[in-house]
Amino acid sequence: GEDVEQSLFLSVREGDSSVINCTYTDSSSTYLYWYKQEPGAGLQLLTYIFSNMDMKQDQRLTVLLNKKDKHLSLRIADTQTGDSAIYFCAEIPPSGAGSYQLTFGKGTKLSVIP
Amino acid sequence: DADVTQTPRNRITKTGKRIMLECSQTKGHDRMYWYRQDPGLGLRLIYYSFDVKDINKGEISDGYSVSRQAQAKFSLSLESAIPNQTALYFCATSDSGRNTGELFFGEGSRLTVL
Repeated sequence: GEDVEQSLFLSVREGDSSVINCTYTDSSSTYLYWYKQEPGAGLQLLTYIFSNMDMKQDQRLTVLLNKKDKHLSLRIADTQTGDSAIYFCAEIPPSGAGSYQLTFGKGTKLSVIP
Repeated sequence: DADVTQTPRNRITKTGKRIMLECSQTKGHDRMYWYRQDPGLGLRLIYYSFDVKDINKGEISDGYSVSRQAQAKFSLSLESAIPNQTALYFCATSDSGRNTGELFFGEGSRLTVL
């Protein structure tokens, strides 16, 4: 089956860097996404990377893509308590191409310790 | 005001009851989706619609039905609710004119079936 894999929990101290990892299913996925879900809210797109890129940086966020290993990571520098949330990795597998059916990972709950 | 609005936000019902969850959007997007979220399972697609006359089954459509009454409205029905349909349900939209596949989520409807 098609599974996007993520670890379920991550705990870091405020000010440290957080790295959330994801393995996806198909190297032909064109876009890979990181969504953030804050408590009691829906998901919001945090960032995305096109498959012809290796890295994307946006302020405190760095996304690294290793297509050979089908590995995606999200690094949050200087993690703050407001970064506490569930982070979902997502891809559009070939079966969903054209319909933009995203396949989501199970989500990584990031807890930031003050 | 939220761009994607779900009602009700919370609902408790009994086994066998018919339930409707409604979603409306002001984003002008043509595509709409219903997902359910279960702890440790991530998000799973129930149904999606590309326009008013288009309805497609997702990964877990059994026990659910949908209606796309207008471009801005997409409702999800549980004809005879059962306890394992207890979950957090999300409506989402996307714009086919933007080829990034980004989804915009509502705040969720928490359903409990006793």
